[in-house]
Amino acid sequence: NAGVTQTPKFQVLKTGQSMTLQCAQDMNHEYMSWYRQDPGMGLRLIHYSVGAGITDQGEVPNGYNVSRSTTEDFPLRLLSAAPSQTSVYFCACRLIPNTGELFFGEGSRLTVL
Amino acid sequence: KNEVEQSPQNLTAQEGEFITINCSYSVGISALHWLQQHPGGGIVSLFMLSSGKKKHGRLIATINIQEKHSSLHITASHPRDSAVYICAVGYNNNDMRFGAGTRLTVKP
Repeated sequence: NAGVTQTPKFQVLKTGQSMTLQCAQDMNHEYMSWYRQDPGMGLRLIHYSVGAGITDQGEVPNGYNVSRSTTEDFPLRLLSAAPSQTSVYFCACRLIPNTGELFFGEGSRLTVL
Repeated sequence: KNEVEQSPQNLTAQEGEFITINCSYSVGISALHWLQQHPGGGIVSLFMLSSGKKKHGRLIATINIQEKHSSLHITASHPRDSAVYICAVGYNNNDMRFGAGTRLTVKP
């Protein structure tokens, strides 16, 4: 089993470009989530989903869109990238929404010029 | 003000020392997680707590729900324990908040 797979691992964008960070899990976990990690700020929750067809906003959702059409996939879309979105992004999943162990992807480093 | 406060921010220890990292939070939670982030950037879950105490090898995690406080202890610390340790809290609505992390360096 691969666990949680994030792609791409590195990406450089110009301001205004769009892109999608992919997250896939093969553990059949209902809960999936996206975080950004910035120096001195710690991890911050962007969006999360408790199952296919259900998404919700976390602490810092502005500038990001998500969808959950299948249990396995939870893509994060940047429609018009801004330098403030330069960060390391992590995807994570867990089996039971509130009390399950978190499993993280390896992270995606995004630079917006 | 962060909803989750960790202390200390940085910690340097000699190999073999007993280490304690603290986490305080401001509102009621459904679960508390302790995570470890290695120098290469990967994040792994160490513990998930909703009450009491858990032990895994040299690591012990405790939580006091009434005082809104949790501690992570490392006994007989080793240089391979050097990492950033992150406290995270989960709420009933599935939202989560994270502490800024504690950077631990264990010297041989």
